[in-house]
Amino acid sequence: DAKTTQPPSMDCAEGRAANLPCNHSTISGNEYVYWYRQIHSQGPQYIIHGLKNNETNEMASLIITEDRKSSTLILPHATLRDTAVYYCIGRPGGSEKLVFGKGTKLTVNP
Amino acid sequence: GAGVSQSPRYKVTKRGQDVTLRCDPISSHATLYWYQQALGQGPEFLTYFNYEAQPDKSGLPSDRFSAERPEGSISTLTIQRTEQRDSAMYRCASSLSGFGTGELFFGEGSRLTVL
Repeated sequence: DAKTTQPPSMDCAEGRAANLPCNHSTISGNEYVYWYRQIHSQGPQYIIHGLKNNETNEMASLIITEDRKSSTLILPHATLRDTAVYYCIGRPGGSEKLVFGKGTKLTVNP
Repeated sequence: GAGVSQSPRYKVTKRGQDVTLRCDPISSHATLYWYQQALGQGPEFLTYFNYEAQPDKSGLPSDRFSAERPEGSISTLTIQRTEQRDSAMYRCASSLSGFGTGELFFGEGSRLTVL
């Protein structure tokens, strides 16, 4: 499984876009990039995933570089409720084992 | 059920006692996962089930840890002869697809404290 590297913490102003980077330079061709977040002591919550193409859903956008060595999760209009730890995960296709790592602690400030 | 349900939510036990944690996944979800989460850390994979089969238990820390899902729905995680280092949040998740691409839905967790 690809090792992912994320900054330990980031800050963002409420209403602005939050751009969370992730490096996964050892990702293999069949590995998906998944993003989950964990708000306070709740269980992790799925956000989005992608393989090669950029993806968008109601929560966020995922931008994957052409060489797939890095990606960025974008929360277009961050709110205070988006304060959480965000995990970037490389998941081989067909693998059930998600390896979470330490994630990025995002703090959205009023 | 509407979501993944775990019980008990909190468990305090003395070192050396056995503990069993229960997980009731979302109805019709084929795949069920157990994770261990220490304070301030990300969840760590323990094991998973596809229905009643347990293809991967590589994350179980020792043979004191075991999990079952005998009828392919409810699962239990048992820790024998608990040690203080077993204190953690134990999280269960379930997934519909079971083909390595599905979204995992997590429960609220069971917090275990070993004195």
